[in-house]
Amino acid sequence: GENVEQHPSTLSVQEGDSAVIKCTYSDSASNYFPWYKQELGKGPQLIIDIRSNVGEKKDQRIAVTLNKTAKHFSLHITETQPEDSAVYFCAPGDSSASKIIFGSGTRLSIRP
Amino acid sequence: GAVVSQHPSWVICKSGTSVKIECRSLDFQATTMFWYRQFPKQSLMLMATSNEGSKATYEQGVEKDKFLINHASLTLSTLTVTSAHPEDSSFYICSARTGTGGNDEQYFGPGTRLTVT
Repeated sequence: GENVEQHPSTLSVQEGDSAVIKCTYSDSASNYFPWYKQELGKGPQLIIDIRSNVGEKKDQRIAVTLNKTAKHFSLHITETQPEDSAVYFCAPGDSSASKIIFGSGTRLSIRP
Repeated sequence: GAVVSQHPSWVICKSGTSVKIECRSLDFQATTMFWYRQFPKQSLMLMATSNEGSKATYEQGVEKDKFLINHASLTLSTLTVTSAHPEDSSFYICSARTGTGGNDEQYFGPGTRLTVT
């Protein structure tokens, strides 16, 4: 099965600075690499995803980069804002698979 | 579109009683629904996968007789925690997927916080 590790487990950045969270996986067959954001007391929401045939994807202030050779992908948030404070989960896998297996999560705090 | 609701959003019950949580797909038909459990400051752990009209498939270590899942229609799945105990206190989250969708078309509900006293 997929072995997923996220780093760091907690991250505190100054408002306006950038944040980067890294996800390492083990299954070379993985072809779908999403990031979820979970705010306190809510369910997770898909914020960005990337497939294995693409190296980078950007959506306004957030981006995801993929290194399939090294088996890791990263979430980049630029110009961080207070509303970015949340727990972020990666969930690499097979897009056609029935299950989502979440990483351990990264708690991001934005300091005013 | 693609909204999933859960009811109730929170519930408190006494030890030994049973509690039912509903998960509904509001604007699409979900042939597959998933139930997750999340303890404080931990990740979401998949409990079971349910397909409409058939028995749920439980993950290893999840007691099927304790966590009863019913997926009676294409828009509704229920999770019943039977004979609840304080260690069952957790945040329960469902997700729903369309028939032909993959993981990129799996939508999550807002969660239900269960507290067993």
